[in-house]
Amino acid sequence: AQRVTQPEKLLSVFKGAPVELKCNYSYSGSPELFWYVQYSRQRLQLLLRHISRESIKGFTADLNKGETSFHLKKPFAQEEDSAMYYCALSPAYSGAGSYQLTFGKGTKLSVIP
Amino acid sequence: GAGVSQTPSNKVTEKGKYVELRCDPISGHTALYWYRQSLGQGPEFLIYFQGTGAADDSGLPNDRFFAVRPEGSVSTLKIQRTERGDSAVYLCASSRRGGYQETQYFGPGTRLLVL
Repeated sequence: AQRVTQPEKLLSVFKGAPVELKCNYSYSGSPELFWYVQYSRQRLQLLLRHISRESIKGFTADLNKGETSFHLKKPFAQEEDSAMYYCALSPAYSGAGSYQLTFGKGTKLSVIP
Repeated sequence: GAGVSQTPSNKVTEKGKYVELRCDPISGHTALYWYRQSLGQGPEFLIYFQGTGAADDSGLPNDRFFAVRPEGSVSTLKIQRTERGDSAVYLCASSRRGGYQETQYFGPGTRLLVL
């Protein structure tokens, strides 16, 4: 069975400090990994996906297959980064054609001014 | 353009009642997903539609839950004989074709409270 674990429920950092939101997964295969973000009073939205290898709003995430991790990092936190962050995976192949997402429980990031 | 919309935004009902939750996906998106998010949890998959058909309903918790998408656009999630444990935020998402790596766009959710 696939599972996504986000060990921290809440992470508080000072503005300008580095941020690392942890995500570990278990999956028998090669999944697709995503980070979704939900800002206050907004809907859930995609932040980045591992396949794109892009940096969005200064965030990056590297897939480490050996450690089955996909941690989200940003070198200098900003107040506007305060939000709920969810790590998610979907299968790389689905016989049923369903690429539904399996989410972690989320980490609330609070950036202190 | 318009994103995914869901109605109602909030629904309060009594235990044992029947409820319907509506999702209007992004125009032209053939793939539609329903998720349920309980307090303190991440969203959990319920059902996936490709066009009008339910291609994967493996996440529905029991036979009190049912969903339809008769014309391949709007979808309705139906819950019979509601229980207090059904209280959650029900999220709908759509993607262009439901394919590998596609972005899923989420609606604002319907917050269901069963008293």
